[in-house]
Amino acid sequence: GAGVSQTPSNKVTEKGKYVELRCDPISGHTALYWYRQSLGQGPEFLIYFQGTGAADDSGLPNDRFFAVRPEGSVSTLKIQRTERGDSAVYLCASSLFTPLRAVGTEAFFGQGTRLTVV
Amino acid sequence: QKEVEQNSGPLSVPEGAIASLNCTYSDRGSQSFFWYRQYSGKSPELIMSIYSNGDKEDGRFTAQLNKASQYVSLLIRDSQPSDSATYLCAGPTTAGGYNKLIFGAGTRLAVHP
Repeated sequence: GAGVSQTPSNKVTEKGKYVELRCDPISGHTALYWYRQSLGQGPEFLIYFQGTGAADDSGLPNDRFFAVRPEGSVSTLKIQRTERGDSAVYLCASSLFTPLRAVGTEAFFGQGTRLTVV
Repeated sequence: QKEVEQNSGPLSVPEGAIASLNCTYSDRGSQSFFWYRQYSGKSPELIMSIYSNGDKEDGRFTAQLNKASQYVSLLIRDSQPSDSATYLCAGPTTAGGYNKLIFGAGTRLAVHP
């Protein structure tokens, strides 16, 4: 696609429910990132994929959070037993190559999914 | 110490003035830096990337990188009200092999007519 696509754009769920957030990166981009952004804060790193594998998941806050990218393209972020504190905008970004130190590996963001846990 | 630090602002400048946004980073191994613009309720949009010491100009925007001082800046010349947004500085961390793009908290810029 022309850009990073995230669905849904908004998700309201009840506390304790399970949610899935989807990210479709720019075609050909091998690296995919998930971030979480709360109001007034910068994006907080969650997990990074290089191809199909999670190269770095150190930002996932706890074991309720999990992400997959089975075919090296679309990724799904899964949150179990949602809590009100999970409410935030979840951002996905992709870049052509990693590591980021290489020239020309800028990351581009999707429009985000606003998750509200009530 | 945070890996990427920015003053949260707000930075208020009159229309037509130069806006100067600053960022410091802690990882001496970082080789590249990025500036993103984020309008309220929108996702970050990449506006500048810089990989080497010195200045890089693109239209009204100039990014400056000083690796010795671990300092990155963004200058916006002839500021316009449409430039009013939050500006995010980002750089990779060497932890684990340059595989995380870390963001500052952002500086809110307000350009008033």
